[in-house]
Amino acid sequence: GAGVSQSPRYKVAKRGQDVALRCDPISGHVSLFWYQQALGQGPEFLTYFQNEAQLDKSGLPSDRFFAERPEGSVSTLKIQRTQQEDSAVYLCASSSVFPQRERYTQYFGPGTRLTVL
Amino acid sequence: DQQVKQNSPSLSVQEGRISILNCDYTNSMFDYFLWYKKYPAEGPTFLISISSIKDKNEDGRFTVFLNKSAKHLSLHIVPSQPGDSAVYFCAAPFNTGNQFYFGTGTSLTVIP
Repeated sequence: GAGVSQSPRYKVAKRGQDVALRCDPISGHVSLFWYQQALGQGPEFLTYFQNEAQLDKSGLPSDRFFAERPEGSVSTLKIQRTQQEDSAVYLCASSSVFPQRERYTQYFGPGTRLTVL
Repeated sequence: DQQVKQNSPSLSVQEGRISILNCDYTNSMFDYFLWYKKYPAEGPTFLISISSIKDKNEDGRFTVFLNKSAKHLSLHIVPSQPGDSAVYFCAAPFNTGNQFYFGTGTSLTVIP
C-alpha cells in the first residue's frame, strides 16, 4: 500500500482488558511514531522508533503502555489493563528520514479509535 | 502546558474568500513549523511548512506567515474552497525533531 495503515480502525474494550494496536508504516520508512489524540485535542507524542530501536518513550503516560517494533517495520502499541481515560484515537506516523529540525514531516495513518467502557 | 496553541476552535468562511487560521507558540527554541489538514476518520496530512529563517512561505493557494517576535504564525487560504473544510493543526518539532508538538486544531468550514 501507498500509505501508513493501522488496524483495527475501531476497538471497544472493557475496563481492565488488554489491547494491541497495529501500525504498518510506509515500506522503507526508518522512523515510526505513535501519538494519542483525545477528543477535541491535538495529537500528543507517545513514542518514537528508529528502525527497531525505541529511542524515545517519554510520552507514554504510564507503564501500562508498551510499544515494540521488533523487525524495524510493523509496530504494535499495547495497553494493559485499559482505563476509561485511555479512550482516544491512537495515530501512527512514519518518515523516510531520521528526524531533523527542518525540512521534515511525518506521514500519518488513519488512526485506531479506542473506546474503553 | 500547551506549547503550541490554536485559540480558535472553529472558523466559517464563504467560498472564494480568504481563510486565516492562527497559531501561537511559547517555546522560542522552535525553529520549524508545519500545518496539517485532517478530514474526519483520516490521519493528518502535511500541508505546508516554514523555517524560522523565513517569514513567509507560499504554495499555491496556501501561504504561511511567521512572526517570530510575536511567536505567532498564520495560515492563509485564498480563495477558499468547500474541499478545504477540515480541521487544521499547526505543529512544531522539538527535541531532536522526533517529538512534534501539535495545537488543538481549528475546524474550518467553507460555505458554498
